[in-house]
Amino acid sequence: QSALTQPPSASGSPGQSVTISCTGTSSDVGAYNYVSWYQQHPGKAPKLIIYEVSKRPSGVPDRFSGSKSGNTASLTVSGLQAEDEADYYCGSYAGSNDLGVFGTGTTVTVL
Amino acid sequence: EVQLVESGGGLVQPGGSLRLSCAASGFTFGIYWMSWVRQAPGKGLEWVANIKEDGSEIYYVDSVKGRFTISRDNTKNSLYFQMNSLRAEDTAVYYCARLRPGTTWDYWGQGTLVTVSS
Repeated sequence: QSALTQPPSASGSPGQSVTISCTGTSSDVGAYNYVSWYQQHPGKAPKLIIYEVSKRPSGVPDRFSGSKSGNTASLTVSGLQAEDEADYYCGSYAGSNDLGVFGTGTTVTVL
Repeated sequence: EVQLVESGGGLVQPGGSLRLSCAASGFTFGIYWMSWVRQAPGKGLEWVANIKEDGSEIYYVDSVKGRFTISRDNTKNSLYFQMNSLRAEDTAVYYCARLRPGTTWDYWGQGTLVTVSS
């Protein structure tokens, strides 16, 4: 199972929006509505912020939204805030024998 | 409140062994799949192992098969990771995480650092 492809970096000014892509294949991202996104601040554990493509766990601000088109999923952070500066990883289900795969990670910088 | 607390990391020489533990609280541990996920210094996340609720199904990433063993004790609400024949490339922060359907990890521990070096 190959890692999902994300851009290494993305940036935006406070209040702006930034969108991160996560490209897989027709066997993972494109086949199932089980894309998740994780936020990781330096030195901290990852935190689930989006699951099942577009659902937010309790407590996650609605500034975070997810979507999918074909083999590519996207995470959009609207109204960027300083605390959104972090690494973001996607993940996807790939079938009953799926053993877990993450994206390559994207560092978001708030300018 | 769901809590996962790892312990057991440290410095070990190549070829050595370590046993990681993860103490779970705040949820019914015995009805969830659990995972170990690692992150090498400055690198991305890598899934390493899964174990079913009752331990009857176990999966590993190819690079650790035959060297690492995941196990659990539901009576103690604990997850374990026995790591043998450690290599420099196993150096990473190891996280235990609760696994939900669709390969979604909804809760993570704070991680424990394993350093393999002579």
